[in-house]
Amino acid sequence: GAGVSQSPRYKVAKRGQDVALRCDPISGHVSLFWYQQALGQGPEFLTYFQNEAQLDKSGLPSDRFFAERPEGSVSTLKIQRTQQEDSAVYLCASRPRTGKYEQYFGPGTRLTVT
Amino acid sequence: GENVEQHPSTLSVQEGDSAVIKCTYSDSASNYFPWYKQELGKRPQLIIDIRSNVGEKKDQRIAVTLNKTAKHFSLHITETQPEDSAVYFCAASQYGNKLVFGAGTILRVKS
Repeated sequence: GAGVSQSPRYKVAKRGQDVALRCDPISGHVSLFWYQQALGQGPEFLTYFQNEAQLDKSGLPSDRFFAERPEGSVSTLKIQRTQQEDSAVYLCASRPRTGKYEQYFGPGTRLTVT
Repeated sequence: GENVEQHPSTLSVQEGDSAVIKCTYSDSASNYFPWYKQELGKRPQLIIDIRSNVGEKKDQRIAVTLNKTAKHFSLHITETQPEDSAVYFCAASQYGNKLVFGAGTILRVKS
């Protein structure tokens, strides 16, 4: 079946611009996660949803980062007033029903802030 | 919070040899330990995972072992093939929630 998809795959933004990154999870998956992966490093947790509820946003680096999942399916990660240090790959992952632990990742959005 | 350390950072093996990657974690409450393979420019792919109620799990050429007392777990790949070349990440989590990743191991399989 279809995996997790993300769009756009690549995004170039000028410093100070706002960006919106989209994640389409696997159909029926209850939980959705966002991670940030800097070049040459492991992914770092940003935030987590169960259905439409944002249960953990402890990894969001600043109040410029905002995520939503209003209908419990598609999610959007928004970054306001982008800075150069925001350049990274933003990965989305989804997980099936409660009791299943496996997270399945999308291909990521590579954000470059110039 | 949880901290995961991964060694080695790079590993070169001859085709057909075995490869072992080791991770340690700090939070004794962690109970789920997945391993991901990531090829250049691609998504992380789950290759094997283990829960804390199990000491070892095997899937064909790959296996994972867990020592809860010492708080470490390892990935074992036997009969390595060139297509095993990639970056491997370990992670630790409570109940499959927030994954805390290691820094990754670049595995090169030389033919």
